[in-house]
Amino acid sequence: GAGVSQTPSNKVTEKGKYVELRCDPISGHTALYWYRQSLGQGPEFLIYFQGTGAADDSGLPNDRFFAVRPEGSVSTLKIQRTERGDSAVYLCASSANTGREQFFGPGTRLTVL
Amino acid sequence: DQQVKQNSPSLSVQEGRISILNCDYTNSMFDYFLWYKKYPAEGPTFLISISSIKDKNEDGRFTVFLNKSAKHLSLHIVPSQPGDSAVYFCAAIPLSFSGGYQKVTFGIGTKLQVIP
Repeated sequence: GAGVSQTPSNKVTEKGKYVELRCDPISGHTALYWYRQSLGQGPEFLIYFQGTGAADDSGLPNDRFFAVRPEGSVSTLKIQRTERGDSAVYLCASSANTGREQFFGPGTRLTVL
Repeated sequence: DQQVKQNSPSLSVQEGRISILNCDYTNSMFDYFLWYKKYPAEGPTFLISISSIKDKNEDGRFTVFLNKSAKHLSLHIVPSQPGDSAVYFCAAIPLSFSGGYQKVTFGIGTKLQVIP
């Protein structure tokens, strides 16, 4: 498929565990964004990559959250010592370098028990 | 502090009638606005956008109106169809001088139900 894909679609983990969420952007899109959507809320910005570098990580809630994009394509969002409050849908989006329209993946629903 | 506000959490409309979804914003630096549509278990998909230099943009059944002085925009869907039932997010992007970076702020969404 040509769209943004995210894996896994669902992740259930226990409090204190480590999780990794993966995003495959649209081929050729240099910009990649991570968002978090809690129940009843809109997507909330976490981090933005331009190529391999995190150009803006001001939305990451604390140092338990980290994201990488080593080759400028696939990105992984990493959450250490998960807490129940981390439960949400994590959305990834990509866009062309000059595009204002972001294309979203289906999200990963994270549940921390 | 919600910079993009969608004060109606839900809206029900009869099929064939007009749906009007409203959005207010507080940040004067926003200069580009978008509407996204989201079905359950899917990511948001882009619907329509408008630049601050315009007051109206139309695409088929969808029209977005922007009132800059009131910091208000609305999405009109006419005629509404059952397949339009979804959550609609209003979103805004600030004026940016760094090409390629579009930090989007979303509202909390309005759930539209179109009744057949």
